[in-house]
Amino acid sequence: GENVEQHPSTLSVQEGDSAVIKCTYSDSASNYFPWYKQELGKGPQLIIDIRSNVGEKKDQRIAVTLNKTAKHFSLHITETQPEDSAVYFCAAGGGTSYGKLTFGQGTILTVHP
Amino acid sequence: KAGVTQTPRYLIKTRGQQVTLSCSPISGHRSVSWYQQTPGQGLQFLFEYFSETQRNKGNFPGRFSGRQFSNSRSEMNVSTLELGDSALYLCASSTLPGQGDYEQYFGPGTRLTVT
Repeated sequence: GENVEQHPSTLSVQEGDSAVIKCTYSDSASNYFPWYKQELGKGPQLIIDIRSNVGEKKDQRIAVTLNKTAKHFSLHITETQPEDSAVYFCAAGGGTSYGKLTFGQGTILTVHP
Repeated sequence: KAGVTQTPRYLIKTRGQQVTLSCSPISGHRSVSWYQQTPGQGLQFLFEYFSETQRNKGNFPGRFSGRQFSNSRSEMNVSTLELGDSALYLCASSTLPGQGDYEQYFGPGTRLTVT
């Protein structure tokens, strides 16, 4: 089955800096790669996703890149703000696994004012 | 558009009891997936339902079961609860995988505590 590795497990940055979180996946059949932000006491919130026919996608301060050959994808947050502090999860799915998403272990991002 | 709703939000049960959790997907979404989230194991897939049929199942014991109704609402049941079943149970709804607009949205979760 699919296996997703996520690094780093914790990330501390100053407000205004950039943050990068990286994930690798194992199943070449996976074709859908979402990123979620989870705040304390809430469910994961979809912030951006990318499909295997696209190499990069941007939405304001957030961007995601995908390298299918190397089987890795990354989340980039620019101009970080204290409200970006949360746990971020990458996931992989699609292909033959239908709606099953396999998640990374999460990254605790702390943005210091 | 209303998001995914889950009831109840919090639940305390005793070992050996059973529990039923409910999920209402986003209007128009016909696929519902369930996940278990714990500090040690992270987010783990339980099962997925589409058109009242289970299409995919994770690696959980048979005590965990689910179903989906004709209006796409879903329930999951855990029988003979164990202390290790304490977790946040998350429901996610989505359109049909493979469609260009496929995205999976999560509800707020049900926090289950087994004592």
